[in-house]
Amino acid sequence: DTGVSQDPRHKITKRGQNVTFRCDPISEHNRLYWYRQTLGQGPEFLTYFQNEAQLEKSRLLSDRFSAERPKGSFSTLEIQRTEQGDSAMYLCASSFSGSRKYTQYFGPGTRLTVL
Amino acid sequence: QQQVKQSPQSLIVQKGGIPIINCAYENTAFDYFPWYQQFPGKGPALLIAIRPDVSEKKEGRFTISFNKSAKQFSLHIMDSQPGDSATYFCAASIMTGNQFYFGTGTSLTVIP
Repeated sequence: DTGVSQDPRHKITKRGQNVTFRCDPISEHNRLYWYRQTLGQGPEFLTYFQNEAQLEKSRLLSDRFSAERPKGSFSTLEIQRTEQGDSAMYLCASSFSGSRKYTQYFGPGTRLTVL
Repeated sequence: QQQVKQSPQSLIVQKGGIPIINCAYENTAFDYFPWYQQFPGKGPALLIAIRPDVSEKKEGRFTISFNKSAKQFSLHIMDSQPGDSATYFCAASIMTGNQFYFGTGTSLTVIP
């Protein structure tokens, strides 16, 4: 069990640019979640996948955001035309729905700074 | 609307003290309540979790107390150590659902 990994760990971009983040969940986990965390706040849910299906999206996930999990393994989160308000830590978590525990294990996050 | 309300925002205790962090919720459909610990620049790490069919759960120095009728739960850290200095988040979810609803966090400082 190598844990949830995220790449890159830090990303600095200029306003208007597109960025893409990657998350690799714990290997046997079929659920994958994306959260956003701003300074001094708890994580806020963005979206989640069960296998390759995206089952729910938060209203926080504007049209500029898109997430994929093409083969039910790793996931990508893309932000188009970044805005300064997108600056945050983007966290990925995974869980196994078959265990009846639904505990979510978080990765280290990707810190996005939009200049 | 904050689904889970957490207090205090910050807490300072002496080494060996017992910090207590409180959370309250409104949605009676919630049936899973985890606590996470987060160090600066890191992702949240699960500490301990409880379901509403028990009133208390202990794991090492960490204890959750749960009051279903009051819709409140709290984290107690026994014999606190400087290494416990971190931000603590409570959360709630519906186990057959998907997302966790997190509190706003408590920054704990344990003074040696």
